[in-house]
Order: sequence, then C-alpha cells, then structure tokens
Amino acid sequence: NAGVTQTPKFQVLKTGQSMTLQCAQDMNHEYMSWYRQDPGMGLRLIHYSVGAGITDQGEVPNGYNVSRSTTEDFPLRLLSAAPSQTSVYFCASSHVRDSSYEQYFGPGTRLTVT
Amino acid sequence: GQSLEQPSEVTAVEGAIVQINCTYQTSGFYGLSWYQQHDGGAPTFLSYNALDGLEETGRFSSFLSRSDSYGYLLLQELQMKDSASYFCAGVNSGGYQKVTFGTGTKLQVIP
Repeated sequence: NAGVTQTPKFQVLKTGQSMTLQCAQDMNHEYMSWYRQDPGMGLRLIHYSVGAGITDQGEVPNGYNVSRSTTEDFPLRLLSAAPSQTSVYFCASSHVRDSSYEQYFGPGTRLTVT
Repeated sequence: GQSLEQPSEVTAVEGAIVQINCTYQTSGFYGLSWYQQHDGGAPTFLSYNALDGLEETGRFSSFLSRSDSYGYLLLQELQMKDSASYFCAGVNSGGYQKVTFGTGTKLQVIP
C-alpha cells in the first residue's frame, strides 16, 4: 500500500495563476479531506468528502474547489492564487465507520504564491 | 463549531513525564484525537478518546473529561525523538469524521 500520496511536493505560483493539487489513496477510504497549515499553526479544514460525488465545505473553503469522481482521488483546485494561500497543504483519508477516527495524512504540498 | 486550545510550547527532560493539555469549546463534540507532527513531516495519529477516562498506548496515554471540556496527552519515559508538535483534534458528532484541530503544542525534549 502506498497510503496517501500527494503531488507535487513543492510548487511556486504567481498571483492569479490556477493549479490543481493531486491527492490519491489506495486504502478504499470513504472519507477524504484537505487541510492547510500555516507556519506555527494547526491544521484548518478546507473541504471534505464522504464518498464519490459528495463534497462539503470545511472551515476555510474560499478560493478552493474540489470534486470527488472516484473513491481514490480527491483533487484540490486553486482558482486564482493569492499570496494568502501560501501554505502547506495536507490531504487525509479514513474509513467512515472506523471507531478510532484515525486519519491518514499524505506528505504534504508546500505552496508559495508570489 | 469547535475551538481547541493548547499551550504553545512545553520543554521536558529526557526520561521524564510530560502532560500536554487541551481545552475545548464545542457544539456537537463526539470525541478527542491526538496527533504527532515532526518538523517538515505529516501528522500521524496517536490516540482517540470517545469516553471519559484514560486510554493507554505504550508510552503514550490520553485522557478525556467531557464534563470539564478537557483532555490531555501524557508522554512517559521521554525520548529525544518525542520532540515534535502535538495536536488535539475534536471529532464532530455531525458524523463523517469532520475534525477540528487545536492550536498545537511544540514539545522540546532536552538531555
């Protein structure tokens, strides 16, 4: 099992550019989510999904779009990058019916917007 | 919504015991998780408390008191590799494991 994979590992964008952060998992997890982590801070939930075709907003959804067409993939799209979106982005997945509520995280994408 | 507060930094000596506290204000609280994150790495799951009381997993234990809206992570026999950030995370009772992370505590273990 590769677990949760994210690409790219690093990305530099100019203000106004768009891009898609990729996330995939091979554990057949129903639940997938995107977080951002700013320096010295906790993780904030951007969007989440409880299965293919079902997504919902988290705490900080503005400026981001998601879709879930398959169980395995959950891409995050930045529509028009802004310097405030400079952050580390983590994707996570878990089973919905796992009573331990354990989330598995990908290695992260470090994004800089200039 | 949920908000979870933690001390920002804690320093402890190798071989000692340290407690990292987490207080929360939340509606629809279901349970409390703990995650460890080393610098430059991804968070990794440590424990989850659904019920009041102590859960023990090796050198790590986690405690929850719903009546006090309070929990803590206890690390025993500290090792240098335990130097990391520790996050509590509230699981929302709305289901589907929607999780809110606390502010995080940076633990420094010194010789």
